Amino acid sequence: NAGVTQTPKFQVLKTGQSMTLQCAQDMNHEYMSWYRQDPGMGLRLIHYSVGAGITDQGEVPNGYNVSRSTTEDFPLRLLSAAPSQTSVYFCASSFLPWGASSYNEQFFGPGTRLTVL
Amino acid sequence: GIQVEQSPPDLILQEGANSTLRCNFSDSVNNLQWFHQNPWGQLINLFYIPSGTKQNGRLSATTVATERYSLLYISSSQTTDSGVYFCAVELGAGGTSYGKLTFGQGTILTVHP
Repeated sequence: NAGVTQTPKFQVLKTGQSMTLQCAQDMNHEYMSWYRQDPGMGLRLIHYSVGAGITDQGEVPNGYNVSRSTTEDFPLRLLSAAPSQTSVYFCASSFLPWGASSYNEQFFGPGTRLTVL
Repeated sequence: GIQVEQSPPDLILQEGANSTLRCNFSDSVNNLQWFHQNPWGQLINLFYIPSGTKQNGRLSATTVATERYSLLYISSSQTTDSGVYFCAVELGAGGTSYGKLTFGQGTILTVHP
């Protein structure tokens, strides 16, 4: 298993440009999410999805869009990049609790380092 | 929302020393995980430990959910243990709280040879 993969690893954008950060997982996880990490801070939740066709906002959703057309992929779109979106972006995935099992350990991708000039 | 506090914020050790990192949280939780962020920025899963005690080699963790804290023990530290250690929790309310991890600020560990 490749686990959670993210592309690209690094990206530099100019203010106003758009781009899509890719995230894929091969563990058949229903739950996927995006976090951002700013210097000296922990991670903050941007958007999440509990399955194909279902997405919702996290703590810091402004300026980002997501969609979930398949179980495996969960891309994050920046429609008009701003310097405040300079950050490291992490994608994560986990199982949803089912029946008697509450197991929902989350696994993170390697991150995308984004700089907006 | 739920508050997560980690201590100490910074820790400097000599190789071979032992250490204890603490995570306090303000509400009941469904999920608690410890991560190590290495110098390359990768988040490595250390423990999934909503309650109880687990051990993995030189590392062990204990979560006392009723008292709302978790401890991460590192024994015989090595230079490769350097990095940032994060505690992350998921609020125990279920429903709309599912999967939403709240991270602490982290403990920066430096191990000198």
